[in-house]
Amino acid sequence: QVQLVQSGAEVKKPGASVKVSCKASGYTFTSYGISWVRQAPGQGLEWMGWISAYNGNTNYAQKLQGRVTMTTDTSTSTAYMELRSLRSDDTAVYYCARDLGWEPSADFDYWGQGTLVTVSS
Amino acid sequence: SSELTQDPAVSVALGQTVRITCQGDSLRSYYASWYQQKPGQAPVLVIYGKNNRPSGIPDRFSGSSSGNTASLTITGAQAEDEADYYCNSRDSSGNHLGVFGGGTKLTVL
Repeated sequence: QVQLVQSGAEVKKPGASVKVSCKASGYTFTSYGISWVRQAPGQGLEWMGWISAYNGNTNYAQKLQGRVTMTTDTSTSTAYMELRSLRSDDTAVYYCARDLGWEPSADFDYWGQGTLVTVSS
Repeated sequence: SSELTQDPAVSVALGQTVRITCQGDSLRSYYASWYQQKPGQAPVLVIYGKNNRPSGIPDRFSGSSSGNTASLTITGAQAEDEADYYCNSRDSSGNHLGVFGGGTKLTVL
């Protein structure tokens, strides 16, 4: 069965970086993209970006451009999301999700369990 | 602010039909997908494309679109349908950037 298993919760100080992993299993990793979505406490969902597991092409939300990098390791079927220069408003649950499209789509059929990233001094 | 607009809250009587809407210019060009999220859980895809349901999603969930408005309809709402619902699509830039609506809290009375 398809599973996306994310790394554990993180606590970071403002200005630091965080790297969240998302290990995929149960399907051919390079046949789908991975999208990342975050949700601040009590708030809605926010699309962060997408990466093709086939060729590494990326597409990032404009507000995160320059601070976010998404990568994949096809040898371990793992996707990574790194966010730099963390601020308090980056505190959120971060989700990875399998994207059904060959390019960024809105269709995410499997989700990771979420990783809470807390930014606090 | 979001380029996709949803009503913050909607209620429905048990067993009745409810429509949750999502408005945005980009919906004239792209389909919306719909997600259900219950407290403390990851979102679940319930509708994608023109009107496709993933395996395991009950057929009381359906989707439609007209002009700049996408709709999720639940026919015969059940207590377990009480949740937050989010629409998702591309933004209007043409650069394949994703955007979520602000979400609709559905209460089943």
